[in-house]
Amino acid sequence: NAGVTQTPKFRVLKTGQSMTLLCAQDMNHEYMYWYRQDPGMGLRLIHYSVGEGTTAKGEVPDGYNVSRLKKQNFLLGLESAAPSQTSVYFCASSSPGTTLTLEQYFGPGTRLTVT
Amino acid sequence: AQSVTQLDSQVPVFEEAPVELRCNYSSSVSVYLFWYVQYPNQGLQLLLKYLSGSTLVKGINGFEAEFNKSQTSFHLRKPSVHISDTAEYFCAVSDGYGNKLVFGAGTILRVKS
Repeated sequence: NAGVTQTPKFRVLKTGQSMTLLCAQDMNHEYMYWYRQDPGMGLRLIHYSVGEGTTAKGEVPDGYNVSRLKKQNFLLGLESAAPSQTSVYFCASSSPGTTLTLEQYFGPGTRLTVT
Repeated sequence: AQSVTQLDSQVPVFEEAPVELRCNYSSSVSVYLFWYVQYPNQGLQLLLKYLSGSTLVKGINGFEAEFNKSQTSFHLRKPSVHISDTAEYFCAVSDGYGNKLVFGAGTILRVKS
């Protein structure tokens, strides 16, 4: 049981390049999330998904796109990278239903630098 | 809209001393409150959560937090810290929809020997 995994762990992009970050979870969770973490700002939600084939915008969605073609995977895309997107990106997943859950399980993060 | 304020960006403390990390929230609906910990170069893991019931919540590693609805606070405490508690701590709030979380800016706890 690997939990939540993220690929790649590190990446350096030049301004204008594109890339896709992959998140995978093996806990059969319905919900998945992408956050970015910047110093002094905590984690901010980029996009999230409440089920296969559905996605929604979070707090800071501009410049990012997502897809949830399979329940276990959640992809985050940057079509034209900008230096402002230099950050650490975290994926998380959780299970819906009763209020006994609500816990999100986080991946180890992807450190992205855009030069 | 929900928001979380962590009142201290850094808290230095000596080993075996008590510590309190402060968190205030604002929300117009019922809330669920969380504390997560992030060790250097790692992801976040859940310390504890308040969903309902007793306002004093106990978590892992000897941490506890108290939900105070009148003061809209959820402060994290530990009676005696260890060097290994050095990490960044995040307070978060959810209204339950989609289990989405709104995080505070984080508090770095530095435990000194």
